[in-house]
Amino acid sequence: DADVTQTPRNRITKTGKRIMLECSQTKGHDRMYWYRQDPGLGLRLIYYSFDVKDINKGEISDGYSVSRQAQAKFSLSLESAIPNQTALYFCATSDSTSGRENEQFFGPGTRLTVL
Amino acid sequence: SQQGEEDPQALSIQEGENATMNCSYKTSINNLQWYRQNSGRGLVHLILIRSNEREKHSGRLRVTLDTSKKSSSLLITASRAADTASYFCATDQGSNYKLTFGKGTLLTVNP
Repeated sequence: DADVTQTPRNRITKTGKRIMLECSQTKGHDRMYWYRQDPGLGLRLIYYSFDVKDINKGEISDGYSVSRQAQAKFSLSLESAIPNQTALYFCATSDSTSGRENEQFFGPGTRLTVL
Repeated sequence: SQQGEEDPQALSIQEGENATMNCSYKTSINNLQWYRQNSGRGLVHLILIRSNEREKHSGRLRVTLDTSKKSSSLLITASRAADTASYFCATDQGSNYKLTFGKGTLLTVNP
């Protein structure tokens, strides 16, 4: 969905490096999410934010941090990347006012490889 | 922990056949959603069924929900090669507006 963009789309980095993944949306949604996807494990929630002042941990937040700089932007940081953080990362949004009950809209994903 | 578990993990059928995927979950839900993912791409919402609904249709998709068995099924009728993708169920437990995704079913439709 072009309304939710992620940068970069691919990134290869080394162990110990700090990495930031960025997500922007033009949908005007208030809620934003970061997931990681690993083969055979489905999607797991890292962090989520219901508005600019709200940040919540998901099920696998250790080793990650986030920043909600504006309603439209939600960044995910890996302070010191490690190889088991190699995964496909997705940003998603939803609109609490739409009446569409938490239907989520996903970005195209960032493929991160930590060597 | 995974709330939803899809079954089977992989399904291979011929074009024109119907495909059925199942999802089981553990706790009470507000709604259950199905998403589709083409290889390496973002997920796309397909259909949502509320906890007080038993069946819902959208085009060639039919979703059922049995809250007593904590299970749902997604039926794709008259499948096409373009339906080849992974399909995920996601449950909304309502208390915190998060979705919990299953591990997915990989559907391959052979032309």
